[in-house]
Amino acid sequence: GAGVSQTPSNKVTEKGKYVELRCDPISGHTALYWYRQSLGQGPEFLIYFQGTGAADDSGLPNDRFFAVRPEGSVSTLKIQRTERGDSAVYLCASSQGEDTQYFGPGTRLTVL
Amino acid sequence: RKEVEQDPGPFNVPEGATVAFNCTYSNSASQSFFWYRQDCRKEPKLLMSVYSSGNEDGRFTAQLNRASQYISLLIRDSKLSDSATYLCVVTDSWGKLQFGAGTQVVVTP
Repeated sequence: GAGVSQTPSNKVTEKGKYVELRCDPISGHTALYWYRQSLGQGPEFLIYFQGTGAADDSGLPNDRFFAVRPEGSVSTLKIQRTERGDSAVYLCASSQGEDTQYFGPGTRLTVL
Repeated sequence: RKEVEQDPGPFNVPEGATVAFNCTYSNSASQSFFWYRQDCRKEPKLLMSVYSSGNEDGRFTAQLNRASQYISLLIRDSKLSDSATYLCVVTDSWGKLQFGAGTQVVVTP
């Protein structure tokens, strides 16, 4: 079946701009996670949704980062006033409850 | 100090040889443990869960030592296709996944 999909696959933006990254989880998966992976590092947790609500947003680095999942399926990660340090691969994962997390291919964000 | 620490490698392994590497974790309350595999510029994929009694999946063997807080992965009869970065993953006290930075394995002909 279809796995987790993320769009765009690559995003280049200028410092100070606003970006939205989209994640389409596996159909029926109630849990959705966002991670950020910098070069040479493992994925770092950002936020976790159970259904429509953010169950844990403790990994969001600051208030420029926000994520929504209004209908309990697709999620959007929003970054305001982007900074060069935001450049990374943003990974989305979904799971059925607390079962195995399946990752999407990621969005490679480059802030110039 | 990082919650999960791994030797970054690379471990250069001749095809057919055995390679083993560990990771250490700092949170004694961690309940679940995994190895994920990540190919270059691809997403992480679950390789195997790690159980207290140790477990095998084909050529891969994982061990957990709770007392010393380390996890190991052993790959037997290495294949060229085993070349990847292996991410050690533990859950924190709230069940969130915490990743190590990965150990790179390069299998050579």
